[in-house]
Amino acid sequence: QVTLRESGPALVKPTQTLTLTCTFSGFSLSTSGMCVNWIRQPPGKALEWLALIDWDDDKYYNTSLTTRLTISKDTSKSQVVLTMTNLDPLDTATYYCARTSGNYYFDYWGQGALVTVSS
Amino acid sequence: QAVLTQPSSLSASPGASASLTCTLSSGINVGPSMINWYQQKPGSPPQFLLRYKSDSDKQQGSGVPSRFSGSKDASANAGILLISGLQSEDEADYYCMIWHSSGYVFGTGTKVTVL
Repeated sequence: QVTLRESGPALVKPTQTLTLTCTFSGFSLSTSGMCVNWIRQPPGKALEWLALIDWDDDKYYNTSLTTRLTISKDTSKSQVVLTMTNLDPLDTATYYCARTSGNYYFDYWGQGALVTVSS
Repeated sequence: QAVLTQPSSLSASPGASASLTCTLSSGINVGPSMINWYQQKPGSPPQFLLRYKSDSDKQQGSGVPSRFSGSKDASANAGILLISGLQSEDEADYYCMIWHSSGYVFGTGTKVTVL
């Protein structure tokens, strides 16, 4: 059974750095074709893809946010970490991690973690 | 940057059909694009519905009823999600998505209301 779970702070101050962890089970990120993605959704707004890391440690970022994002993985812990720098209230959103398994679609999602950016 | 434009809302009666469009921005040809569709209900993550490139290259999500289907309108440069026989449980937000230039792009989303 594939599961993903996001964890991290619920409240962050403007200009601070956000660190989110996706802990997954039921698959290995060392398996060819496997990727873990981060996607966010501001309240009442559309989904926005942020970044992905694949089984080969290749990383891809949303070109609009690339200077602020870093994605990394710890295969032994079955975790993927996303850091986002210089937070702004506009970064307030539910942050999801989701898996792709070689077919370029998100087949499993975490339940999401709401992050509020406020002083 | 790629933009996928969807109508913000659509209302239809139970039993009717609903056609949701996803128009790709200029410079992205819908022809070779695989269009993915997701359904999201309040308080829940999105769920994969289907993906469609052509009648010979498509995939239905696990457990997704066949009344959800995909197609394209090349003249409008758009992907289409057709929901036949609308049911109250289909009331949700729907998002299209593509892989483009080494990244995923989501559409603006359509809220479907079943009257």
